[in-house]
Amino acid sequence: AQKVTQAQTEISVVEKEDVTLDCVYETRDTTYYLFWYKQPPSGELVFLIRRNSFDEQNEISGRYSWNFQKSTSSFNFTITASQVVDSAVYFCALRMDTGNQFYFGTGTSLTVIP
Amino acid sequence: DAMVIQNPRYQVTQFGKPVTLSCSQTLNHNVMYWYQQKSSQAPKLLFHYYDKDFNNEADTPDNFQSRRPNTSFCFLDIRSPGLGDAAMYLCATSRYARGRNTEAFFGQGTRLTVV
Repeated sequence: AQKVTQAQTEISVVEKEDVTLDCVYETRDTTYYLFWYKQPPSGELVFLIRRNSFDEQNEISGRYSWNFQKSTSSFNFTITASQVVDSAVYFCALRMDTGNQFYFGTGTSLTVIP
Repeated sequence: DAMVIQNPRYQVTQFGKPVTLSCSQTLNHNVMYWYQQKSSQAPKLLFHYYDKDFNNEADTPDNFQSRRPNTSFCFLDIRSPGLGDAAMYLCATSRYARGRNTEAFFGQGTRLTVV
């Protein structure tokens, strides 16, 4: 069975602090994809990143970085120097290479305080 | 330009009155999804189409139906909306091709209110 766990329900940080959002997944498949989405108050789910199971290279995009570790089944997301505009709910998701379903975590609500 | 478009953005319907939500895509993706999302919860998959093949989730109520007349369009029909069906409904698309699956692209959602 596939499962995504985001243990942090809510996080508050002061602007310019760094923050890491945790994601742990479960699957027996050897080929799969991991994703992060941002959902601002407007409601649309905005795609941030995709990572393939066979590519463990970490990635940095501006203030965003992602740490993928197969050994611990984790795909964590770090925002450096957080800004108020980063306030949103962030979802981690998992998809198998053999299927169409996306398995979402329960989301982490991030509030950045000015 | 928006690639997944949902109409309307806001829909108010009466208890028990059928309602249809629409979704269109310009990505030519072979998979289309309907998700229901209630406040402070993760999106819940209702069903999805892989081309014309319809895949219903086991716990999706019979009250919810869907149609996909062509690649670009998909509709969500709620036959008799109840108060518990008030939620945000999200349409998404993706490409399925083993070894080359894509992320899901979401529309802006339709917020349904049942009165």
